[in-house]
Amino acid sequence: NAGVTQTPKFRVLKTGQSMTLLCAQDMNHEYMYWYRQDPGMGLRLIHYSVGEGTTAKGEVPDGYNVSRLKKQNFLLGLESAAPSQTSVYFCASSSSTGGLQPQHFGDGTRLSIL
Amino acid sequence: LAKTTQPISMDSYEGQEVNITCSHNNIATNDYITWYQQFPSQGPRFIIQGYKTKVTNEVASLFIPADRKSSTLSLPRVSLSDTAVYYCLVGDGWAGNNRKLIWGLGTSLAVNP
Repeated sequence: NAGVTQTPKFRVLKTGQSMTLLCAQDMNHEYMYWYRQDPGMGLRLIHYSVGEGTTAKGEVPDGYNVSRLKKQNFLLGLESAAPSQTSVYFCASSSSTGGLQPQHFGDGTRLSIL
Repeated sequence: LAKTTQPISMDSYEGQEVNITCSHNNIATNDYITWYQQFPSQGPRFIIQGYKTKVTNEVASLFIPADRKSSTLSLPRVSLSDTAVYYCLVGDGWAGNNRKLIWGLGTSLAVNP
């Protein structure tokens, strides 16, 4: 079973470039999340979605945009990459809000901004 | 506002029982406490979840006191493969239409032979 798949796995960008990270889940989950993970700071929620066509801001949304055009996909966009956005990005999905149902995570996208 | 606190690191030996405690004051009354395990270069993986008292599954137990201001993840008879980072997650209700989730900073468990 694929579960949650993130593409790409690695990427290096120059400051000011834009890119989109793709997350796909095959579990028919309603809820999807984007996190970033930095050393010593744990997981921080960037944006999340409670269903197709809906998105909401998390703890650290600035500099990122998201879209959920299809239930199985959740896209994270960096409009103008900055070195402070160098991080490991994780996508997750759950059948209801993450505090009540377990979240299923992908294996991450390692992003470096030079 | 809920906040979670867990030890940064712990050391153990194979075959021992390991208990990791997470303190979470002001947890929302209707929210669960969830624990995740993370290996290097992988995403976190669900271990166990509970609301109150004790929950046990095939890999761990979770103890939650009546006041729900803390929870303890118990790993029985750890092995080298249990070396990982363990996170607690608590829900903190809603802020308007936004769900509030509070992650701990993680406890790095090292199991020694």
